[in-house]
Amino acid sequence: EVQLVESGGGLVQPGGSLRLSCAASGFTFSRYAMNWVRQAPGKGPEWVSEISGNGVKTYYADSVKGRFIISRDNSKNTLYLHMNSLRAEDTAIFYCAKDDGSYGFDFWGQGTLVTVSS
Amino acid sequence: QSVLTQPPSASGTPGQRVTISCSGSSSNIGSNTVNWYRHLPGTAPKLLFNSNNQRPSGVPDRFSGSKSGTSASLAISGLQSEDEADYYCAAWDDSLSGQVFGTGTKVTVL
Repeated sequence: EVQLVESGGGLVQPGGSLRLSCAASGFTFSRYAMNWVRQAPGKGPEWVSEISGNGVKTYYADSVKGRFIISRDNSKNTLYLHMNSLRAEDTAIFYCAKDDGSYGFDFWGQGTLVTVSS
Repeated sequence: QSVLTQPPSASGTPGQRVTISCSGSSSNIGSNTVNWYRHLPGTAPKLLFNSNNQRPSGVPDRFSGSKSGTSASLAISGLQSEDEADYYCAAWDDSLSGQVFGTGTKVTVL
């Protein structure tokens, strides 16, 4: 059974940093691209970032480019999102999502809430 | 601001067929697979079917998708009360080098 479990969310002040983790199990982690998707209160989902299975290729939404870094440790089956220079508009539930090989996100975690506020 | 446009709402009575449109451009829908997600408050979005139109377990065959040019559609036939949810289209955008989601459509069963 595929499982994705996010952690690391919390309350952080504007300008602060946070690192999210996503522990994966139930599939061959290194074979699949992984993504972070966020959903702000009352809004639709917004794609944040993608990393290829081997970690070589990364992609970012313009809204987070230069502030967020996606990475993965295939030996630990874990996906990360390093978030810097956080803003109030980054407040959202962050989900990690597995790519099905054709840019479809077939499995999602339960999400972790990030709140940016003073 | 999303680059994929959906109607904000759609509705129907039980048993009816409801169709949701998703309008994009040549850099996203026009050249890449469109995926559809169902979202219920407090839960993660759920993929309705993959690029081969195969449905993950638990997704009934009442849901179907189609694409023509730079637009796509999701059809729900035999509408049921449990189909009430928000539906989003999504596609990779070659110009943005990123995934884009639609504006979302709230389906109501009357």
